[in-house]
Amino acid sequence: ETGVTQTPRHLVMGMTNKKSLKCEQHLGHNAMYWYKQSAKKPLELMFVYNFKEQTENNSVPSRFSPECPNSSHLFLHLHTLQPEDSALYLCASSLRTSVGYNEQFFGPGTRLTVL
Amino acid sequence: ELKVEQNPLFLSMQEGKNYTIYCNYSTTSDRLYWYRQDPGKSLESLFVLLSNGAVKQEGRLMASLDTKARLSTLHITAAVHDLSATYFCAVVHMDSNYQLIWGAGTKLIIKP
Repeated sequence: ETGVTQTPRHLVMGMTNKKSLKCEQHLGHNAMYWYKQSAKKPLELMFVYNFKEQTENNSVPSRFSPECPNSSHLFLHLHTLQPEDSALYLCASSLRTSVGYNEQFFGPGTRLTVL
Repeated sequence: ELKVEQNPLFLSMQEGKNYTIYCNYSTTSDRLYWYRQDPGKSLESLFVLLSNGAVKQEGRLMASLDTKARLSTLHITAAVHDLSATYFCAVVHMDSNYQLIWGAGTKLIIKP
């Protein structure tokens, strides 16, 4: 595997379900990101991890819970989601978060549908 | 707060034509990225523009940055169908831990 991978690619869940999204990067990077991409809206940064430490949480509802066990893996745990949470969830990584090192490389995304 | 505006948001054009996508941003930054996204696929980095007056070219795409005008352009020369995609600009927000602030994207359709 190369680059940034995400699983699953598609996920349909009910509002009472609990599920997790997984991201793995094979680039030797130390920073990882979760973004939400909704139709006709700019990418919304959700969380940032740098060297496994969370450095940004952009006012994301608590029904989204990130986990970064090491610099190569990032999870997004989902529970009691709302239909408006349906979107494409993108994972990205960069060498670090600091300027000059933060060119981001993206995974293919997980298309999430909440019923 | 840094805001990034792209225009147009949608562009349909014929092969062989030239066109320009604009990316305006509201506060100081000296680093800007252009990305491409094909339907159902990842965002792919196209260009990193690092300073005022920077110009980069790859094939039929050329990007430039004017930090004084807070404007970047992505110019397409003699468009071909394979360039159909959504193009995003992203600006480094110097005052917010160097986060990338994204434009809404320009969906480009090039008709044969």
